[in-house]
Amino acid sequence: DQQVKQNSPSLSVQEGRISILNCDYTNSMFDYFLWYKKYPAEGPTFLISISSIKDKNEDGRFTVFLNKSAKHLSLHIVPSQPGDSAVYFCAASSSPGYALNFGKGTSLLVTP
Amino acid sequence: GAVVSQHPSRVICKSGTSVKIECRSLDFQATTMFWYRQFPKKSLMLMATSNEGSKATYEQGVEKDKFLINHASLTLSTLTVTSAHPEDSSFYICSASRVYEETQYFGPGTRLLVL
Repeated sequence: DQQVKQNSPSLSVQEGRISILNCDYTNSMFDYFLWYKKYPAEGPTFLISISSIKDKNEDGRFTVFLNKSAKHLSLHIVPSQPGDSAVYFCAASSSPGYALNFGKGTSLLVTP
Repeated sequence: GAVVSQHPSRVICKSGTSVKIECRSLDFQATTMFWYRQFPKKSLMLMATSNEGSKATYEQGVEKDKFLINHASLTLSTLTVTSAHPEDSSFYICSASRVYEETQYFGPGTRLLVL
């Protein structure tokens, strides 16, 4: 049973525009949410995270928004760059030291 | 930073042989490491949680006798695929986190191809 869902398998955005990647979850025990970027045949690279006590976290061009009541989070990339093209995974956990539950990923393509 | 390495990065083996994959946390100690598996165009699926000095906890459907996990020290966990079959061909990734830290850092992954 998929507890973390990324319903858009792919997204195409023009360079300079905003990329918005969405993620929904079903387990209300999840307390910590992360976004990872992944290239084929490589391990995921940590991007940004947010804990359930916050509704927004920003790091440079990346901002994650959390709506706990809707069990929804999103990753905003502004401005998008061609180097951002990769698969983005949303992940969630219920406690430090617990395994992550991953979504299926969204493949982002940023075109020049 | 937090660096996790995996070795080998790629391995091809014959059906019936065993393959060992190492996962090391290079600049921090990790009491817990995780092993994931990814099929093409699929999400990462947790296989097992590896705790230093104790037996690994396997996810439902993962054969513990087939996927042997040893967490010998605070910086090293190994996954051994025993009597490998072609259906074991996959991308195996480990992750580790610092004590009391929630962010997990991933290794670069190991591509296993069983002929």
